Amino acid sequence: DAMVIQNPRYQVTQFGKPVTLSCSQTLNHNVMYWYQQKSSQAPKLLFHYYDKDFNNEADTPDNFQSRRPNTSFCFLDIRSPGLGDAAMYLCATNPRAQNQETQYFGPGTRLLVL
Amino acid sequence: GNSVTQMEGPVTLSEEAFLTINCTYTATGYPSLFWYVQYPGEGLQLLLKATKADDKGSNKGFEATYRKETTSFHLEKGSVQVSDSAVYFCALKKAAGNKLTFGGGTRVLVKP
Repeated sequence: DAMVIQNPRYQVTQFGKPVTLSCSQTLNHNVMYWYQQKSSQAPKLLFHYYDKDFNNEADTPDNFQSRRPNTSFCFLDIRSPGLGDAAMYLCATNPRAQNQETQYFGPGTRLLVL
Repeated sequence: GNSVTQMEGPVTLSEEAFLTINCTYTATGYPSLFWYVQYPGEGLQLLLKATKADDKGSNKGFEATYRKETTSFHLEKGSVQVSDSAVYFCALKKAAGNKLTFGGGTRVLVKP
């Protein structure tokens, strides 16, 4: 089945140690998103790609970076994780940039920072 | 700017009870409206959507109608099951910025 895949489902890292989260999609969608969701809160958009065009949200910390080497893959890099970065990270995709289209979410990666 | 307000939870119900989760929005123009559901430890799944005024989205017994006059998109289900226990997010989307704006989420707990 076509889907959005996130690996790993659980990631443990140490304070200040760089970590990379992965997302892949078999939907061939143009747009890919990364969200951060802290406990009992709504997802917060960090950035998105439209094809190779990167769009950062104004309040996303510089500590968060992203790469999209091809249509199928997108990575979230946290350069120096702090305790406050512990959260669920959700990847999502969209066929194009039209507002009536559905965003499809992956299962998420839960990040724990020790 | 755009915003979504939904009723705070948790909402606790007995099985077969009627469920309503209120959602209102603020946006210019004609956004698309969505309900997503998140089961414990999982990502978000689309439950239903509506893309224009008076549209009714429906899925798995859930319904919501896009009411532009009241800027609302309330979620309803006539008879809930224990398996409906989850967090429900109302969201809107506009083409500008391609982003979903979420409400704060409503946790629903259905007891046998």
